[in-house]
Amino acid sequence: AQSVTQPDIHITVSEGASLELRCNYSYGATPYLFWYVQSPGQGLQLLLKYFSGDTLVQGIKGFEAEFKRSQSSFNLRKPSVHWSDAAEYFCAVGAAGGSYIPTFGRGTSLIVHP
Amino acid sequence: EAQVTQNPRYLITVTGKKLTVTCSQNMNHEYMSWYRQDPGLGLRQIYYSMNVEVTDKGDVPEGYKVSRKEKRNFPLILESPSPNQTSLYFCASRLRGFTEAFFGQGTRLTVV
Repeated sequence: AQSVTQPDIHITVSEGASLELRCNYSYGATPYLFWYVQSPGQGLQLLLKYFSGDTLVQGIKGFEAEFKRSQSSFNLRKPSVHWSDAAEYFCAVGAAGGSYIPTFGRGTSLIVHP
Repeated sequence: EAQVTQNPRYLITVTGKKLTVTCSQNMNHEYMSWYRQDPGLGLRQIYYSMNVEVTDKGDVPEGYKVSRKEKRNFPLILESPSPNQTSLYFCASRLRGFTEAFFGQGTRLTVV
């Protein structure tokens, strides 16, 4: 069975600082990997996704993520955080294939200090 | 505009009173899902559907029913709601293949 671990429940950074949110997954084969963002009172919006190819994936809003198979990780990064990035971030994994059902992590809440 | 629409956005009800939360998508997506989001637990899948008349249980299906009579609609039914079903509910849809899910705005349900 697939699973996702986001070890950090909360992360606090100062505006302008760099950010890295951790995501570790468990799945036997090649997974589909996703990062979503949930702003307060909103649904989830896709930031980026990975299946194959270049292990460094660029997403929207200046985010990127790197797939590391040896570490079973898919960490999300941003070089300079803006106050508007404060939100809940979810990592998700799905078994490769058309009928995948994604499993979500518990989420990491990002707090941005001015 | 491509979107997933849930109604209502907010609902307060009493224990045992049947309710339905509607979900509709206008993107001709095959796959639709229902999730509940609870603090510290992330999103947990309740039910999903791979196409019309094809539904299956997710991780937390107890107390819920779904139906998929039309491709665009995937209502969530609580026949006899209980307080432990107080939660934030999301509907999502996606195309077949390596595609991302599109989420509705959420329905905040309180059962008293």
